[in-house]
Amino acid sequence: DIHMTQSPSSLSASVGDRVTITCQANQDISTNLNWYQQKPGKPPKLLISDASNLERGVPPRFTGSGSGTDFIFAITSLQPEDIATYYCQLYETLPPRFTFGPGTKVGIK
Amino acid sequence: QVQLVESGGGVVQPGRSLRLSCETSGFIFSDFGVHWVRHTPGKGLEWVAVTWYDGKNEYYADSVKGRFSVSRDNSKNTLFLQMDSLRAEDTATYYCVRGTGYAFAYFDFWGQGTLVTVSS
Repeated sequence: DIHMTQSPSSLSASVGDRVTITCQANQDISTNLNWYQQKPGKPPKLLISDASNLERGVPPRFTGSGSGTDFIFAITSLQPEDIATYYCQLYETLPPRFTFGPGTKVGIK
Repeated sequence: QVQLVESGGGVVQPGRSLRLSCETSGFIFSDFGVHWVRHTPGKGLEWVAVTWYDGKNEYYADSVKGRFSVSRDNSKNTLFLQMDSLRAEDTATYYCVRGTGYAFAYFDFWGQGTLVTVSS
């Protein structure tokens, strides 16, 4: 089985700061990794697919990079509306299986 | 616009069954795989199951395999989740989610969720 670790579990930063979250897989998953944002009481929202593809309508301050086993999600300039929990999600295709990371809760200082 | 609306959640005793439904609109239902994903405040998000666009393939998380069954009615644009032998650890908000892209791996539209509580 492929396992994901995600760090940190929580962080607090100032408005305008650059924030980074990492996800690491225990084996090569190419770029089969997506990133989601979940605000309290709301369903998650897909932000980035295939490690680095920004979804339509998502602000460009959200970025993703990486391939293989190591992936980085960044908010280049943190805004108050970015307060949320962020999840990475890997996908396998044979057979289909989808695994979320444990999440990173992002807050404002 | 794309909409997914779950129903059927509630409080149920351990060992009992529950059936969730998800009515969809705003897209061609029979073109997409559709998933169930659950969320708990303590454990985060967990993928539960997916049914392929034509209903001919279903896949499950190990934690629910043999107890849960996903199905769909493409004539009614509706997804179902039959949950049997429920356990306390199945307590969660259950989301119906449209999947797109290769292997329907991009979860691009989500319902608002329905809460399932398994408790005696």
